[in-house]
Amino acid sequence: GAGVSQSPSNKVTEKGKDVELRCDPISGHTALYWYRQSLGQGLEFLIYFQGNSAPDKSGLPSDRFSAERTGGSVSTLTIQRTQQEDSAVYLCAGRRGGEHNEQFFGPGTRLTVL
Amino acid sequence: DAKTTQPTSMDCAEGRAANLPCNHSTISGNEYVYWYRQIHSQGPQYIIHGLKNNETNEMASLIITEDRKSSTLILPHATLRDTAVYYCIVNAGNNRKLIWGLGTSLAVNP
Repeated sequence: GAGVSQSPSNKVTEKGKDVELRCDPISGHTALYWYRQSLGQGLEFLIYFQGNSAPDKSGLPSDRFSAERTGGSVSTLTIQRTQQEDSAVYLCAGRRGGEHNEQFFGPGTRLTVL
Repeated sequence: DAKTTQPTSMDCAEGRAANLPCNHSTISGNEYVYWYRQIHSQGPQYIIHGLKNNETNEMASLIITEDRKSSTLILPHATLRDTAVYYCIVNAGNNRKLIWGLGTSLAVNP
């Protein structure tokens, strides 16, 4: 497809379970971001990948959160031992290389931790 | 913390121009002004960006004051589909992080 895709669109899980969220960015977009958005709030930066450089993990809220980007394309955000406060919409965005920061977002994954 | 301040909400009549203000009094010389919007239950969508000159594209116009401390996003003929939260962000172009505030919730009314 032409856009950014994320799966699943919705995920309901029990407290303590692990979850994996997937992002498939637009082909050729070398930069990839993960954000989360709690209800009624702005976006909170989590992690950034750029090419083969070491990712910027400075936004990850705890060591329960991790992300990988394989082959410079698909990315997976993993949350271990989920907590109720992890409930949010998780958004992925890609960006072409270059100077400007026009990001292309996916539709997000709505995570609900019971 | 976000480096911009925006009104929490605004209303606009369908067909009229929507003018959304943003204050960014601490903007640095190398920082651009970016605007995104987020329609309910969707991911954000890029609208426009500028450095110091006014910019226009098929979606909107961006007017930046001469001192660059504030800007206005203009939707020239608002439609019901323009109802969304509009985010104003300052960022040094290739800077890795966008810092998002709470934006302005624009309601376009029939």
